[in-house]
Amino acid sequence: AQRVTQPEKLLSVFKGAPVELKCNYSYSGSPELFWYVQYSRQRLQLLLRHISRESIKGFTADLNKGETSFHLKKPFAQEEDSAMYYCALSGEAAGNKLTFGGGTRVLVKP
Amino acid sequence: DTEVTQTPKHLVMGMTNKKSLKCEQHMGHRAMYWYKQKAKKPPELMFVYSYEKLSINESVPSRFSPECPNSSLLNLHLHALQPEDSALYLCASSLRDLSGETQYFGPGTRLLVL
Repeated sequence: AQRVTQPEKLLSVFKGAPVELKCNYSYSGSPELFWYVQYSRQRLQLLLRHISRESIKGFTADLNKGETSFHLKKPFAQEEDSAMYYCALSGEAAGNKLTFGGGTRVLVKP
Repeated sequence: DTEVTQTPKHLVMGMTNKKSLKCEQHMGHRAMYWYKQKAKKPPELMFVYSYEKLSINESVPSRFSPECPNSSLLNLHLHALQPEDSALYLCASSLRDLSGETQYFGPGTRLLVL
């Protein structure tokens, strides 16, 4: 069974400080990993997907198959980064169902 | 049109009412989804339609009835709901390309069952 774990429910950092959101997964096969962000009262938005290896809004995430992790990082957090972040996993072995982690709320203080 | 739209934004209904949620996308996506999201929790998958056919039902109670009239529309018919069904209902659609399959979400319908 596929599973996504986000160990931190809340991350509180000061503006300008680095922020790292942890995501670990279990999956049999080749997973597709995603980070979604949900700002207050806004829709769930795709932030990153591992296959694209891109940087969006200064965030990056690297898939580490050895450690089964897909941590999200940003070197200098901004107040507008305050939101709920969800790591998610999909793959053909699970019928392309998207499985979400429990989410991490990020609060960036001025 | 590059978004998933949902109507209504808010819905209040009694336990004996019948109502419908609507979802629309014009991105040519082959799959559409219904999720339920409770406050401060991740979305939970309810149904998946692939090429207008129901492919996944996550053991959802029959008081929720999905319908996919065509490749752009997805409905969720509600009947005899319970107060615990109050939640944000999200629609999503996805397209598989060379990079994989990515889901894009609508803004949701916030449902309150009294």
